[in-house]
Amino acid sequence: DARVTQTPRDKVTEMGQEVTMRCQPILGHNTVFWYRQTMMQGLELLAYFRNRAPLDDSGMPKDRFSAEMPDATLATLKIQPSEPRDSAVYFCASGSYSAVSGGALGELFFGEGSRLTVL
Amino acid sequence: RKEVEQDPGPFNVPEGATVAFNCTYSNSASQSFFWYRQDCRKEPKLLMSVYSSGNEDGRFTAQLNRASQYISLLIRDSKLSDSATYLCVVKSGYSGGSNYKLTFGKGTLLTVNP
Repeated sequence: DARVTQTPRDKVTEMGQEVTMRCQPILGHNTVFWYRQTMMQGLELLAYFRNRAPLDDSGMPKDRFSAEMPDATLATLKIQPSEPRDSAVYFCASGSYSAVSGGALGELFFGEGSRLTVL
Repeated sequence: RKEVEQDPGPFNVPEGATVAFNCTYSNSASQSFFWYRQDCRKEPKLLMSVYSSGNEDGRFTAQLNRASQYISLLIRDSKLSDSATYLCVVKSGYSGGSNYKLTFGKGTLLTVNP
């Protein structure tokens, strides 16, 4: 059963530490998203990749967050330095996009999330 | 105005009740619409797409009103297992190009009581 895999599931760290979250999208999916979810803001889009190229990272605090896809099987989200306000659940999601069909991006498959607590 | 707005609830209903959720979106150029379901401490999962003519999937009915920029989800004969947060999702394009993004509402919490 294909699924998006995220690590770590839970992370507790202290303010100022570097945090790296990893995501393995579903094989064959060419679109990867990073979302952050909090009670106050709901699901917020942080970054969006298609065919490993970053298309939009306008939702990401640029000074401390960075997102990359070093290869088709790995997406990373890094926070350096982390702050208490970064505490949230970070979801990676993947989907299929077909330029031929005019953008078939519909269903996103989410990983189980990485719950980050910054003290 | 937020891109996607939902009534946050919570909705507390007895088993067997009919409950309706509403959602409005601000981008009139939005192209596709979905309802996702998220169980407590789990990831969101697609519940159903929303088509212009309205569509039904068992006890669930989704409707779209483009003129009013309004989406709804109706759950009939609600079950205990329907308890979850229901997220309204809108797909829209970026200005120019062929890039799309999915914007999620904050969700409506439903609790079905025995």
